[in-house]
Amino acid sequence: DGGITQSPKYLFRKEGQNVTLSCEQNLNHDAMYWYRQDPGQGLRLIYYSQIVNDFQKGDIAEGYSVSREKKESFPLTVTSAQKNPTAFYLCASSFRTEQYFGPGTRLTVT
Amino acid sequence: AQSVSQHNHHVILSEAASLELGCNYSYGGTVNLFWYVQYPGQHLQLLLKYFSGDPLVKGIKGFEAEFIKSKFSFNLRKPSVQWSDTAEYFCAVGILTGGGNKLTFGTGTQLKVEL
Repeated sequence: DGGITQSPKYLFRKEGQNVTLSCEQNLNHDAMYWYRQDPGQGLRLIYYSQIVNDFQKGDIAEGYSVSREKKESFPLTVTSAQKNPTAFYLCASSFRTEQYFGPGTRLTVT
Repeated sequence: AQSVSQHNHHVILSEAASLELGCNYSYGGTVNLFWYVQYPGQHLQLLLKYFSGDPLVKGIKGFEAEFIKSKFSFNLRKPSVQWSDTAEYFCAVGILTGGGNKLTFGTGTQLKVEL
């Protein structure tokens, strides 16, 4: 089955810890994206990558980091510098036009 | 930078009622327009999209949207909603950049359809 996988579905961390969210796609898409979804705020772009070994900041990149060493993988690290890390994180990929979304990871930091 | 406004945050309708969800965007250049839907517990999925041509586009499950360039609008419509249409709906504006389509999303509209 082609698609985007994100793991785990739920993630719990203590404040001050870095945490890495996984995103893998087997759609052979060049571009990948990370969004954060908060109630009443829609989806906001954190980082995106158009090709391997290249990525750009989105609208809310502070406190996050990414890497793109392989075409199929785009992990997101939520660092301790992110002031409000508790959220639902969505990964997407695209080839030119339509974006396809993964199931998301709900991160809770206490 | 582009922005997207969805004016209705929560909408409650009875089954068989007609639906129109507003979406306005601000960007002076060429855009691609999308409506995505997120059913409870499911992935965000594409409802319909507009790139060019006929400004009235039809999507899945009987939804349609009309692009009105002069009003910077892309409103979503459905003549008769069903209980299964209960979901959150997101309008998005896309700008092609390199290998992908960078999207800006609206804040979403939570639709509840009552029996």
